Amino acid sequence: EPEVTQTPSHQVTQMGQEVILRCVPISNHLYFYWYRQILGQKVEFLVSFYNNEISEKSEIFDDQFSVERPDGSNFTLKIRSTKLEDSAMYFCASIWGTGGHEQYFGPGTRLTVT
Amino acid sequence: GEDVEQSLFLSVREGDSSVINCTYTDSSSTYLYWYKQEPGAGLQLLTYIFSNMDMKQDQRLTVLLNKKDKHLSLRIADTQTGDSAIYFCAEKADQGGKLIFGQGTELSVKP
Repeated sequence: EPEVTQTPSHQVTQMGQEVILRCVPISNHLYFYWYRQILGQKVEFLVSFYNNEISEKSEIFDDQFSVERPDGSNFTLKIRSTKLEDSAMYFCASIWGTGGHEQYFGPGTRLTVT
Repeated sequence: GEDVEQSLFLSVREGDSSVINCTYTDSSSTYLYWYKQEPGAGLQLLTYIFSNMDMKQDQRLTVLLNKKDKHLSLRIADTQTGDSAIYFCAEKADQGGKLIFGQGTELSVKP
């Protein structure tokens, strides 16, 4: 069964460093999402992406964040200068198209900023 | 703004039924979902219900939706120890397709 994959599973970085979190959505899916879950808190929407551009972003998704689909398979989330409060589990999700609604999630990347 | 609320913990005995409840605020939600998260794992889509339905049954899972009260529930029949996990309720916002999640209910199944 096709699935969303994410790498790395755990990333430790120092405050102020740049990180790139990678996702490979399900191959025929067209809409992509990033969410994050700070320990003990709700899963929060960050950004949605379709047709090589951002469709919607939340207040959390400020200038420190960017997303990219550099090739036909990867979908990345970059945090330019990490802060302690960026420590969270980051989930990627995808939907196949406008007629679909079921978001399939990857296993997540745990980001720890020290 | 949109908000989804769940109780944090539920403990049941193996073989009993579990009922996990959720309330939401956005009356324009089109779909409502239940996701399961096992320790160290991602979010697994369990089931969903379209907003014009009252009930959906899928094997041991029954979803009930009360649109008037904006209340959603997930009933797991014959709960097993393997059902121990965190269960998230989520609604699909009318615009844009993003999901709004509750804080998750931790289900503990005792043998």
